[in-house]
Amino acid sequence: EVQLLESGGGLVSPGGSLRLSCVASGFTFSDYTMTWVRQAPGKGLEWVSSIGGSGDTTYQPDSVKGRLIISRDNSKNTLYLHLNSLRVEDSAIYYCARVPISVGPPDWGQGTLVTVSS
Amino acid sequence: QSVLTQPPSVSGAPGQRVIISCAGSGSNIGANFDVHWYRQVPGTAPKVVIYSDTNRPSGVPDRFSGSKSGTSASLAITGLQAEDEGNYFCQTYDSSLTGSWVFGGGTKLTVL
Repeated sequence: EVQLLESGGGLVSPGGSLRLSCVASGFTFSDYTMTWVRQAPGKGLEWVSSIGGSGDTTYQPDSVKGRLIISRDNSKNTLYLHLNSLRVEDSAIYYCARVPISVGPPDWGQGTLVTVSS
Repeated sequence: QSVLTQPPSVSGAPGQRVIISCAGSGSNIGANFDVHWYRQVPGTAPKVVIYSDTNRPSGVPDRFSGSKSGTSASLAITGLQAEDEGNYFCQTYDSSLTGSWVFGGGTKLTVL
């Protein structure tokens, strides 16, 4: 069974930093592109970043480029999201998800809450 | 402003059929990327109800069905039940930015 378990969220001041982790199990982690998606309170879903299976290729929208950095450690089956120069508008639940290789459903974790407030 | 357009809300009485639409463009749905549908109850993670346009995960009732045509996709729910209430999101990918996921703004389903 595919399991994705996020951690690392919490309360941080504007301008601060945080590192989120997502531990994967139940599949060969390095075979899959992984993604972070976030959801601000009462809002819709927003794609944050994706990373290829080897970790060599990353993708992200311009809105977060340079501040939110995705990485992975395949030896630890762990996906990371480094959040830097945090803004109040970065407050959200952050979900990690596995991108299906072909026909199949994306698998999501339960999320970790990040609150940016002074 | 979401890339995919969904109605903000739909409603129906128990037993009725509702359809939730998801309108995209030639760079996402129209590019034949898979469309996935999620149901989300407040305080919980989104859960897939339809994947790859028309497929139901194990455990999702066959009252749920998906379709896609051109630059749009739809989720149909027949025999509406109170437990179907929630927010429904469509999601696909977009060729304008490699690796990107795009979402609809969500549709709140109310069972009257």
